[in-house]
Amino acid sequence: AQSVTQLDSHVSVSEGTPVLLRCNYSSSYSPSLFWYVQHPNKGLQLLLKYTSAATLVKGINGFEAEFKKSETSFHLTKPSAHMSDAAEYFCVVRPGNEKLTFGTGTRLTIIP
Amino acid sequence: KAGVTQTPRYLIKTRGQQVTLSCSPISGHRSVSWYQQTPGQGLQFLFEYFSETQRNKGNFPGRFSGRQFSNSRSEMNVSTLELGDSALYLCASSSPAEAWGVGTQYFGPGTRLTVL
Repeated sequence: AQSVTQLDSHVSVSEGTPVLLRCNYSSSYSPSLFWYVQHPNKGLQLLLKYTSAATLVKGINGFEAEFKKSETSFHLTKPSAHMSDAAEYFCVVRPGNEKLTFGTGTRLTIIP
Repeated sequence: KAGVTQTPRYLIKTRGQQVTLSCSPISGHRSVSWYQQTPGQGLQFLFEYFSETQRNKGNFPGRFSGRQFSNSRSEMNVSTLELGDSALYLCASSSPAEAWGVGTQYFGPGTRLTVL
């Protein structure tokens, strides 16, 4: 069985400072990993995905994530936060062709 | 290429009624999945269809059902609505052109269902 743990339910950063959203996963075999973002009253938008190629994955809007198998982590980072980054972020695991399992989400607040 | 569309966007029903939600996937996508999102339970998988066949199913009661048509459009139905069914229902489609097991899901804007 697979699971995802997002270690922070809420993160606040000042505009222009780095963003770190933490995610740990467990999976019975090598999974695909995703980060999605959800703005208020919107659907989910794919930020990036890891599919066993490069361990450092670059996504849209300056986000990137690093897959660390030894730590079973897939943390999301961005060097400089922008006001438009304020949203809910979901880490997602999918082993093989099984169903997606979502983390509980991290709400990112950007302080002007 | 148009994204995933869901209709209606908002719906208000009363307890005991039934409801049907519709999802049109991205052109060429044959897999459609449905999710329920609530503040208390987060995002939960309902079911996944591929080429008109249910491929995966989540842990929801039989009141929740779905189907997929030959053009890949999908509907989900909830019968005998309960207050706890109030949620955002999200549909996602994915392309079989990607390698097996790593298909990326693209989400629609959702249908917000309110049960009174």
